[in-house]
Amino acid sequence: DAKTTQPPSMDCAEGRAANLPCNHSTISGNEYVYWYRQIHSQGPQYIIHGLKNNETNEMASLIITEDRKSSTLILPHATLRDTAVYYCIVRVATWGNDMRFGAGTRLTVKP
Amino acid sequence: GAVVSQHPSRVICKSGTSVKIECRSLDFQATTMFWYRQFPKQSLMLMATSNEGSKATYEQGVEKDKFLINHASLTLSTLTVTSAHPEDSSFYICSARDSSGTGGLRKSPLHFGNGTRLTVT
Repeated sequence: DAKTTQPPSMDCAEGRAANLPCNHSTISGNEYVYWYRQIHSQGPQYIIHGLKNNETNEMASLIITEDRKSSTLILPHATLRDTAVYYCIVRVATWGNDMRFGAGTRLTVKP
Repeated sequence: GAVVSQHPSRVICKSGTSVKIECRSLDFQATTMFWYRQFPKQSLMLMATSNEGSKATYEQGVEKDKFLINHASLTLSTLTVTSAHPEDSSFYICSARDSSGTGGLRKSPLHFGNGTRLTVT
């Protein structure tokens, strides 16, 4: 599976958009980009995933570059409750596939 | 949405005893569940893949006789930590994917339980 690179930490002001980058330059054609987050002492929470096209749901937007070598997770209006570690994972979508977690980005939303 | 429930959320046990952790998919069926372990300030590490009706597969370095996994139904997998020792103290998390196929693989991401914090004294 393609390796991902994320900044170790980021800060964001409450109410502003949080843009979390992820590099996955070795991604292959059948690998999806998944985003999860983990709030302290909880299990990871699924946020969004995509293959080629940009995706949006009630939580966030996922922007994938045309060459698919990087992506950005956007939380449009960050709140204090969005403070968490955000994981970008690249993985082939098969029924039996787990998720492999790297170090992620620790996002701190500040008032 | 898909919900994965773990029980207990916290457990404290004495060294040498065994502890069982349950993982349930509440509103979907899962032929495969995954067990992870997370030590403080570290990321999640996959321990094993639990397959309904068959033996679990373990990641390299994980002792299958110490971490017993049973996946007896499509909605329940259990992890038993046998003869627990203080170094087994960790945050154990399970995950599952809706395998009914109603949404297709495209719409079936992996969902995680809220974890079980095990402390062995």
